[in-house]
Amino acid sequence: DAGVIQSPRHEVTEMGQEVTLRCKPISGHNSLFWYRQTMMRGLELLIYFNNNVPIDDSGMPEDRFSAKMPNASFSTLKIQPSEPRDSAVYFCASTPTLAGTEAFFGQGTRLTVV
Amino acid sequence: KQEVTQIPAALSVPEGENLVLNCSFTDSAIYNLQWFRQDPGKGLTSLLLIQSSQREQTSGRLNASLDKSSGRSTLYIAASQPGDSATYLCAVREGGSEKLVFGKGMKLTVNP
Repeated sequence: DAGVIQSPRHEVTEMGQEVTLRCKPISGHNSLFWYRQTMMRGLELLIYFNNNVPIDDSGMPEDRFSAKMPNASFSTLKIQPSEPRDSAVYFCASTPTLAGTEAFFGQGTRLTVV
Repeated sequence: KQEVTQIPAALSVPEGENLVLNCSFTDSAIYNLQWFRQDPGKGLTSLLLIQSSQREQTSGRLNASLDKSSGRSTLYIAASQPGDSATYLCAVREGGSEKLVFGKGMKLTVNP
């Protein structure tokens, strides 16, 4: 298995533009997590899905952020409109459904909003 | 609310030392604890996973222990090498949910 795949690896966009980050979880994993990493705050959980259903989105910073999981092999995190303070590395992770199992992370998307 | 703490935030040691990295968490109701390694500009690589019913796990020069009742875990690195230089993060999987809550990590530098 190729692991968790995220795209793009790097994204530079202007303030106000829409940004869409993509994630393909490991096949057979039913839980998917989106994290944001900054120097100041470390890794913050934004939202997670189980069987394609959002379970907890309390970490989504504001309405500009939205996430979807239309099927078991694809998820998107969208920011509209983007702001410079959204600049961070966004990670996607997946695990099998059972809580006692290992989490695997993608390589991340480095977002820069100018 | 679960909080995970890693102290110190950074550590610099000479090659060959045996190291102990600490992780503490506030709520002992966890499914498991996982240690990760992150190299600069890279994603997170899982090192060890300890289930809540286990006391320790070993992989090569790494040994992780878990004392759930006291909310502590340690990652032991034997005979450290420059290639061990990275940021090490611990994370707990909360009981009752599937949330994985992270500490802020400890940046390790092993000098040749």
